[in-house]
Amino acid sequence: TQTVSQSDAHVTVFEGDSVELRCNYSYGGSIYLSWYIQHHGRGLQFLLKYYSGNPVVQGVNGFEAEFSKSDSSFHLRKASVHWSDSAVYFCAPIASSSFSKLVFGQGTSLSVVP
Amino acid sequence: DTTVKQNPRYKLARVGKPVNLICSQTMNHDTMYWYQKKPNQAPKLLLFYYDKILNREADTFEKFQSSRPNNSFCSLYIGSAGLEYSAMYLCASSRRGGGAYEQYFGPGTRLTVL
Repeated sequence: TQTVSQSDAHVTVFEGDSVELRCNYSYGGSIYLSWYIQHHGRGLQFLLKYYSGNPVVQGVNGFEAEFSKSDSSFHLRKASVHWSDSAVYFCAPIASSSFSKLVFGQGTSLSVVP
Repeated sequence: DTTVKQNPRYKLARVGKPVNLICSQTMNHDTMYWYQKKPNQAPKLLLFYYDKILNREADTFEKFQSSRPNNSFCSLYIGSAGLEYSAMYLCASSRRGGGAYEQYFGPGTRLTVL
């Protein structure tokens, strides 16, 4: 059974600050890792993914995430946030043995204060 | 066009009455999914179609039905709505070859059962 944990339910930062949204997972096999974003009133949008290779992956709008096998983590970062980054962010690992299923974390609500 | 459409956006239903939600996509994706999302919870996979094959999650097997008359459309059917069905229902699609970790989501249908 795979599990995913997003330890912070809410994060508030000022515009221009850096931010890190945390994601930890547990799974014994090969795993894909992804992040999705949901702006208020809209559907989830794919942000970025990792499967192998460079542990730091780049996504849209300046977001990046770093995979750590030793920490079982896939934290999302942005160097300088904009007010439009305010949204809920979901971490979603997929076990490679079950390609069709995303298992979402509970989400982290990011509020960017102008 | 990378949009997934859902109808209706808002649905009000009486306890015990049936509910039918519709999803469509024009990306020729072979897999379509339905998720249930309640406030402050992770999206929960209910079922998915890979081509014409329906896969339902074990814990929601008897509560939800679905049909996929063609590649573009997929419905979610609740035979007898209960108060616990009040939630946001998210439809998503993906292309099997691209891996299920990149799913395209619709804006959701907010179902309220009274």
